[in-house]
Amino acid sequence: NAGVTQTPKFQVLKTGQSMTLQCAQDMNHEYMSWYRQDPGMGLRLIHYSVGAGITDQGEVPNGYNVSRSTTEDFPLRLLSAAPSQTSVYFCASSYRGLNTGELFFGEGSRLTVL
Amino acid sequence: AQTVTQSQPEMSVQEAETVTLSCTYDTSENNYYLFWYKQPPSRQMILVIRQEAYKQQNATENRFSVNFQKAAKSFSLKISDSQLGDTAMYFCAFMRFTGNQFYFGTGTSLTVIP
Repeated sequence: NAGVTQTPKFQVLKTGQSMTLQCAQDMNHEYMSWYRQDPGMGLRLIHYSVGAGITDQGEVPNGYNVSRSTTEDFPLRLLSAAPSQTSVYFCASSYRGLNTGELFFGEGSRLTVL
Repeated sequence: AQTVTQSQPEMSVQEAETVTLSCTYDTSENNYYLFWYKQPPSRQMILVIRQEAYKQQNATENRFSVNFQKAAKSFSLKISDSQLGDTAMYFCAFMRFTGNQFYFGTGTSLTVIP
């Protein structure tokens, strides 16, 4: 069982370039989300989705786009990368039924913007 | 908005000793989940323990237990018989029963000293 798979694990971009971080889960989870982790700031929510075709903004959405065309996939797009987007990015998913709530995380993607 | 506060950026403990990590949160909700996640140097986020707010009994998972004080909005993690493999960043997190967002603290870096 693969769980949550993120690609790539490492990426270096130049300012202004675009890229997509891929996230896929095979647990049939309705909820998927993207976080960024920065030193001293914990994990901050970028965007999330509660099902195919439904997305919403989190705490720090500026500079990022998402879409959810299938239950399995939730890509994160950086349209014009900035040095402030240098961070470690985590995709996470969760089952939204009763008595659950646990987030399952991918292994993270380290992005450096020069 | 919910906030989660971890006031101890760094802690250390001797191997086999006991350590307690602190977490406080702010919410007006009555029903919610609380979590402790562990992030070792591998960067993978691992669920340590979960507590449902409606349960008065403190959650326990092997060497890990919590002290949940709902009125005080406090959720501390106790690690007994600390092992070298416990060295990691620990994050406290909050989620409402009916919400779609997890809120994370800024983390506590724990080092277990041989």
